[in-house]
Amino acid sequence: AQSVAQPEDQVNVAEGNPLTVKCTYSVSGNPYLFWYVQYPNRGLQFLLKYITGDNLVKGSYGFEAEFNKSQTSFHLKKPSALVSDSALYFCAVRGGGGSYIPTFGRGTSLIVHP
Amino acid sequence: GAVVSQHPSWVICKSGTSVKIECRSLDFQATTMFWYRQFPKQSLMLMATSNEGSKATYEQGVEKDKFLINHASLTLSTLTVTSAHPEDSSFYICSAQNRGKAGNTIYFGEGSWLTVV
Repeated sequence: AQSVAQPEDQVNVAEGNPLTVKCTYSVSGNPYLFWYVQYPNRGLQFLLKYITGDNLVKGSYGFEAEFNKSQTSFHLKKPSALVSDSALYFCAVRGGGGSYIPTFGRGTSLIVHP
Repeated sequence: GAVVSQHPSWVICKSGTSVKIECRSLDFQATTMFWYRQFPKQSLMLMATSNEGSKATYEQGVEKDKFLINHASLTLSTLTVTSAHPEDSSFYICSAQNRGKAGNTIYFGEGSWLTVV
């Protein structure tokens, strides 16, 4: 069975500082990893994904994520946080073993303070 | 990126009535659509997986007779909440993926707020 852990319910960061939202996963076979952002009362927006290739993946709005196979992690990062980045962030994993159903983490609320 | 349209965004219905929510993939063919329920400040709860032309696969604990899912075409899936009750009030989100590979991105609709009074 595949699983995703987002160990932090909430991350607080000051505007202009770097941010990290953590995600670890467990899956059979090669992982396909995704990050989504959800603003209040909205659906989820795709940020980035890792399928294969470079471990550092760049996505929308200046976000990036680093795939670390040995640590089974896929942490989301941004060098300089904006207040407008405040939202709920979801990490998801899907295994390459034939299941197309993704597993989502419980979400991490990012709060960027002015 | 690809666009998934969900309608209506907000709906209020009386207890005992049924309400239908539509999910459309606007610029790609969605062989699989997923329906989620989300409570305030909580994660997504997968309700069912809908494959075009076949019956939906429901997650454990989800009543298939209450939450009717139809995926009649490659661009449209519908969720009908039958005989709605106040406890069905929630945020419902659909997502869709293009046919093929596990690495394909899943795109989400904007969600539908259902309030049953």
